[in-house]
Amino acid sequence: DGGITQSPKYLFRKEGQNVTLSCEQNLNHDAMYWYRQDPGQGLRLIYYSQIVNDFQKGDIAEGYSVSREKKESFPLTVTSAQKNPTAFYLCASSILWGVYNEQFFGPGTRLTVL
Amino acid sequence: AQKITQTQPGMFVQEKEAVTLDCTYDTSDQSYGLFWYKQPSSGEMIFLIYQGSYDEQNATEGRYSLNFQKARKSANLVISASQLGDSAMYFCAMREGPTGANSKLTFGKGITLSVRP
Repeated sequence: DGGITQSPKYLFRKEGQNVTLSCEQNLNHDAMYWYRQDPGQGLRLIYYSQIVNDFQKGDIAEGYSVSREKKESFPLTVTSAQKNPTAFYLCASSILWGVYNEQFFGPGTRLTVL
Repeated sequence: AQKITQTQPGMFVQEKEAVTLDCTYDTSDQSYGLFWYKQPSSGEMIFLIYQGSYDEQNATEGRYSLNFQKARKSANLVISASQLGDSAMYFCAMREGPTGANSKLTFGKGITLSVRP
């Protein structure tokens, strides 16, 4: 089945530790995105990438880092510099050219920092 | 100023009735796209419907339709014949600029819809 996978679904970490969230897609999409969602809030863009080996900061990139070494993979690292990392993290992908180019989302990772 | 505004804090609708979820947007681009997504309690985001700024007709997808009023910068989602499974959060989002050059979306804060049996 084509789609986006994120692992793990739930993640617990101690304060001060870096943690990497996985995102893989087999849709052959050029663009990939990372969003953060806080309770009762909308999605805020952390980073996005439209091509391999290139990525841009979104609205809330501080304390996060990404890489895009392969078209199908876009891992997100939450560093110890992120002041309030507990949140729901969603990965998405899309084509770049098309009528809609809607974003397809993964199931999300709920990160809790203790 | 917020680019996407969803001010209804929570909506209730009786099963089988229609409901309208409001969305206003702000952009200076002539070419843009508007999206609606549904987020059930499980957390995944489900794409519902799309409206392009140059589309002359209002978009429709099954029970979903979009009431697009360009001059008022509003893109309200209409759900007809509500079902219990429609209970979820609904997000309006906008892509500024044409497809390809800019693919990122800006999301509103969402509206919670509860369908009563």
